[in-house]
Amino acid sequence: NAGVTQTPKFQVLKTGQSMTLQCAQDMNHEYMSWYRQDPGMGLRLIHYSVGAGITDQGEVPNGYNVSRSTTEDFPLRLLSAAPSQTSVYFCASSYSQGGTEAFFGQGTRLTVV
Amino acid sequence: SQQGEEDPQALSIQEGENATMNCSYKTSINNLQWYRQNSGRGLVHLILIRSNEREKHSGRLRVTLDTSKKSSSLLITASRAADTASYFCATGKGGKLIFGQGTELSVKP
Repeated sequence: NAGVTQTPKFQVLKTGQSMTLQCAQDMNHEYMSWYRQDPGMGLRLIHYSVGAGITDQGEVPNGYNVSRSTTEDFPLRLLSAAPSQTSVYFCASSYSQGGTEAFFGQGTRLTVV
Repeated sequence: SQQGEEDPQALSIQEGENATMNCSYKTSINNLQWYRQNSGRGLVHLILIRSNEREKHSGRLRVTLDTSKKSSSLLITASRAADTASYFCATGKGGKLIFGQGTELSVKP
């Protein structure tokens, strides 16, 4: 099993550009989440989904959009990249959000210049 | 704001010593989980303790939970250089998993 796969691993964007971070899981998990990790801030929840067609905001949702058309995929869209969005982004999935262990991807390191 | 606050932020010990990390949280929870992150990698789940449990063991790990004080501790016994990593607590409730800021553990051989 591949687990949780994130692409790309690294990305450099110019301010104002848009892009989509991809996340796919092959464990048939209902729950998927996106986090960003900044130095000294730990992980902060951006958006999460409790199943296909259902998404909700986390702690820091501004500037990001998500959709969940399938159980397997949960892409994160940056609409107009800003330097403040420079971070490492992690996707996670779990059988039951907050109730069972979460499995994480290896992360996407994004730099906005 | 983040749910969990971890203490200490950084901890340096010698191989063979025990390492204790603490986590405090603000609101009621269904469970508390601990994760480990090696530099530049994704997080790996270590242990989950439910709100009606007080203590849990897994190998060299011991986790306690005190819901009256809204706090938890992670004890790693007989530490090894390979335990060097960042450790995070995370609280689960209402469909969300919220992380603390983490403790950076360095185990010197």
